[in-house]
Amino acid sequence: EMQLVESGGGLVQPGGSLRLSCEASGFTFSSYWMHWVRQAPGKGLVWVSRVNGDGSSTSYADAVEGRFTISRDNAKNTLFLRMDGLRVEDTALYYCARVKNAIWDAFDIWGQGTKVTVS
Amino acid sequence: DIQMTQSPSSLSASVGDRVTIPCRASHSISSYLNWFQQKPGKAPRLLVYGASTLQSGVPSRFSGSGSGTDFTLTITNLQPEDFAIYYCQQSYSLPRTFGQGTKVEIK
Repeated sequence: EMQLVESGGGLVQPGGSLRLSCEASGFTFSSYWMHWVRQAPGKGLVWVSRVNGDGSSTSYADAVEGRFTISRDNAKNTLFLRMDGLRVEDTALYYCARVKNAIWDAFDIWGQGTKVTVS
Repeated sequence: DIQMTQSPSSLSASVGDRVTIPCRASHSISSYLNWFQQKPGKAPRLLVYGASTLQSGVPSRFSGSGSGTDFTLTITNLQPEDFAIYYCQQSYSLPRTFGQGTKVEIK
């Protein structure tokens, strides 16, 4: 079964740091682009960041550029999101998601999410 | 950035109804439009990608249409398990952007 499992969320003070992890199983992790998407309590989905299969290409939303760093360890089938300089407005459920294919860039597999609270 | 607009934010429907959920992009995105379903406490689920291609395992009562700036998700013969929030998302350019969602509620 293809699966993504996030971890690393928690309660942190403004200005603090966290590192989220997303462990993949059931598919060839290194072959896929991966993204992070977040959802504030009671709100909609917001794209955060993406990384290509070998980790050489990354992109970020303006709201997190310069504060968040996406990376991956293909040997461990794990995606990361390092979050520094956290703000109250970063409070959200953070999902990792796999891209189905390079043509349509649709997120076909999602994790269950890990909760980040900045307060 | 490309803005995705979903209106209405909610609609009421009955089991067995045909429901259409619109989505509009602020600029042409060709067919780079995906639809997701989200139920309370659950991760989003991909329903349709490339504007009209049904994701594997998704019931055929779901369909997507449109290109350019105007898109529609249609649910025929609405089932109890279809009451959820539906999001459109463009994959044409960065940053990826989602609509604000349309909640389908029981009438």
